[in-house]
Amino acid sequence: SAVISQKPSRDICQRGTSLTIQCQVDSQVTMMFWYRQQPGQSLTLIATANQGSEATYESGFVIDKFPISRPNLTFSTLTVSNMSPEDSSIYLCSAEDGDRGYDSGNTIYFGEGSWLTVV
Amino acid sequence: LAKTTQPISMDSYEGQEVNITCSHNNIATNDYITWYQQFPSQGPRFIIQGYKTKVTNEVASLFIPADRKSSTLSLPRVSLSDTAVYYCLARWGGFQKLVFGTGTRLLVSP
Repeated sequence: SAVISQKPSRDICQRGTSLTIQCQVDSQVTMMFWYRQQPGQSLTLIATANQGSEATYESGFVIDKFPISRPNLTFSTLTVSNMSPEDSSIYLCSAEDGDRGYDSGNTIYFGEGSWLTVV
Repeated sequence: LAKTTQPISMDSYEGQEVNITCSHNNIATNDYITWYQQFPSQGPRFIIQGYKTKVTNEVASLFIPADRKSSTLSLPRVSLSDTAVYYCLARWGGFQKLVFGTGTRLLVSP
């Protein structure tokens, strides 16, 4: 299974600032995803990080607010820009393990998350 | 509109079998259903994954009926350490969107 590391694991941020979360996978993966999980809630997909092209964002999430980089097959970053208290949440990186495509039984694994508190 | 729904919470006692069902209409024909366990302040941990019928591993079983519109995670003989939130994950229709269930908070008591 893929091992996914995220940094920072936790941070307290000032309103109006931006923070970049790093995600490192221990093997090459085709698909990487970023999720947000607000306290007591389920996970919501922010975007799919595509290697070599722009990320694909879900409804309600925009590139200006959540710019994503995917420079290679093992690494991605998510930036939370111009933060407000509403952005306080856990941000989770995930990756699809395997190269057969999800519909062939690849598994999606998650990092431990980055817990951001905006004050 | 695709929805992936689960019971909000379940209570059980140590040693009992727990079955958690997830409803996922419009699941893509070829996509798998995956279940995760999540403890507070941690990322979701993979439990089991299946496509149809029954899958079993060392910690759980997964039952998927022929119409694949639902799936049931079965945890045999739960212990206190199984107290957690359990999520199902399915891909929604042809849009390749990964949709998490609402999560089921399982409380195991002595």
